[in-house]
Amino acid sequence: DIQMTQSPASLSASLGETVTIECLASEDIYSNLGWYQQKPGKSPQLLIYYANSLNDGVPSRFSGSGSGTQYSLKINSLQSEDVSIYFCQQNYDSPFTFGSGTKLEIK
Amino acid sequence: EVKLVESGGGLVQPGRSLKLSCAASGFSFNDYWMGWVRQAPGKGLEWIGEINQDSSTINYTPSLKDKFTISRDNAQNTLYLQMSKLGSEDTAIYYCARTYNNFDYWGQGVMVTVSS
Repeated sequence: DIQMTQSPASLSASLGETVTIECLASEDIYSNLGWYQQKPGKSPQLLIYYANSLNDGVPSRFSGSGSGTQYSLKINSLQSEDVSIYFCQQNYDSPFTFGSGTKLEIK
Repeated sequence: EVKLVESGGGLVQPGRSLKLSCAASGFSFNDYWMGWVRQAPGKGLEWIGEINQDSSTINYTPSLKDKFTISRDNAQNTLYLQMSKLGSEDTAIYYCARTYNNFDYWGQGVMVTVSS
């Protein structure tokens, strides 16, 4: 199975700041990487697919980058509604494993 | 509007079986792969498996392959998850999701609690 190592586990930042979350795959996943946002008590929602493609309706302050085994999600101009847990997921090889999640809070 | 609605959850005794359903609407169900994901209380997401459009290909995470069975009924626009030999480790919210560019739509989830 491909292991997805996500960091940091938690993150606290101020409104308006830029934050970055990272995912490291145990092997090359050829950009087959998605990012999800899960707000408290809600289902996950897809933000980014294929490493850097913004899903419909997702604000442009979210962006994804990376290749090979290293990927990142960047959130510009942090808003209060961005308080969530963020997960990465590889969809290169079954089982399509998730990262362990990053809990984002506002300072 | 794409809608996925899970049902069939609840309290079940250890060792018993349970079948979850996911009713899909708002899209052409038989054009998409579909999948299941679970989330234990306060934990991360675990990919259970997925099924292709005509049920000819079903993939599972290896640790659940002998306990869980994914199926679908395209005539009824419904996805299923048959779970057997349930243990406390299977207590979780179970989500169905549409597979397109990862999982682009998710249901609201259904809680399964395994306890005597």
